[in-house]
Amino acid sequence: EVQLVESGGGLVRPGGSLRLSCEGSGFPFNTYWLSWVRQAPGRGLEWVANIKEDGGERYYVDSVRGRFTISRDNAKNSLFLQMNGLRAEDTAIYYCAREEVGSTAFGYWGQGTLVTVSS
Amino acid sequence: DIQLTQSPSFLSASVGDRVTVTCRASQGINNFLAWYQQKPGKAPKLLIYAAFTLQSGVPSRFSGSGSGTEFALTISSLQPEDFATYYCQQHSSDPITFGQGTRLEIK
Repeated sequence: EVQLVESGGGLVRPGGSLRLSCEGSGFPFNTYWLSWVRQAPGRGLEWVANIKEDGGERYYVDSVRGRFTISRDNAKNSLFLQMNGLRAEDTAIYYCAREEVGSTAFGYWGQGTLVTVSS
Repeated sequence: DIQLTQSPSFLSASVGDRVTVTCRASQGINNFLAWYQQKPGKAPKLLIYAAFTLQSGVPSRFSGSGSGTEFALTISSLQPEDFATYYCQQHSSDPITFGQGTRLEIK
């Protein structure tokens, strides 16, 4: 069974940092692109970043570029999101998601981890 | 960036109804369009990708159609478990973008 389990969310002050993790199981982790997608409270979905199977390509939405860094450790079946310079508008549930082969449709999602940026 | 506009934003319907949600892209997306269902407190679930390909395990009452810039998700006969929020998503080019969502409620 494919599983994605996020961790690392919490309350952080504006300007602070947080590192999210996502552990995958039940599939060959190193053969899939992976993404982070977020959802602010009561709002819609926003794609944040994605990373190629080998980590060689990474892409970001404009609002986080330069502040967030996506990375992965295929030996540990883990995906990460390092978030620096956090702002109130980064408050959201952060999901990791697996992109289906040949497309960027997200076939599997984790349960999400809540990040709250507040003073 | 490619903008996706869903309509309607809110839909009230009854069990057994046939409903359609539309998604308009600001430019052509080569049919790289997906549909998701999200229930409160849960992660989204992929229903359809590549505009009309049903994800494994999704009931056949869900179908996708369209091409170019106009797409639709149709539920042929609403079941109680279908009341949720639906999102379209384009997977044609970066950045990946989602529609604003359509909330489907019981009449």
